[in-house]
Amino acid sequence: AQSVTQLDSHVSVSEGTPVLLRCNYSSSYSPSLFWYVQHPNKGLQLLLKYTSAATLVKGINGFEAEFKKSETSFHLTKPSAHMSDAAEYFCVVGRGSYIPTFGRGTSLIVHP
Amino acid sequence: DAMVIQNPRYQVTQFGKPVTLSCSQTLNHNVMYWYQQKSSQAPKLLFHYYDKDFNNEADTPDNFQSRRPNTSFCFLDIRSPGLGDAAMYLCATSTMVTRGPLGLAGAGYEQYFGPGTRLTVT
Repeated sequence: AQSVTQLDSHVSVSEGTPVLLRCNYSSSYSPSLFWYVQHPNKGLQLLLKYTSAATLVKGINGFEAEFKKSETSFHLTKPSAHMSDAAEYFCVVGRGSYIPTFGRGTSLIVHP
Repeated sequence: DAMVIQNPRYQVTQFGKPVTLSCSQTLNHNVMYWYQQKSSQAPKLLFHYYDKDFNNEADTPDNFQSRRPNTSFCFLDIRSPGLGDAAMYLCATSTMVTRGPLGLAGAGYEQYFGPGTRLTVT
């Protein structure tokens, strides 16, 4: 069985400040983990993925995430938020029987 | 560019009037998914295809049906839409998923999503 918990439903930051979106997972297998971004009325776009290679994963638009097995976490970070980063972010776990499991989502709000 | 296309982007239908949403892909992926997403919620998987093998989620209402006539196309049919079916419908694809002794198994390949169809029921 697998599950994913996004610890914050909303995160609010000022433009130019760091972003941290938190995700914890559980999986019976060595997991594959993904972060997707969804802008209003759009489909989901892959930001980055972890598939048992390097534990620090770099994605698009300056985002990165670190896989920490001991903490069962896969938090998403960005050093400096931009207004265009305002969106919904989903953490997803998928391994074994490949029906990916979505977190509930975190809404990132960026203030000028 | 290889992509997932959904038509139409916006669909308005009347209560009880059948409606079909379409999805096409140029990625040649063997797995296709349909999701329902309501406001401020995560996408909810309705069903998926591995090639032509259809897999229905246990809690998907009978009102929802799907067809995949070939690798490239997949359709979502809502036989009698209710007001509660108003949502964004997302199509996604994935590749390199293999069938093993325990069933469908994935090596962690990501999904590619279409832009979605926003369904309104009046």
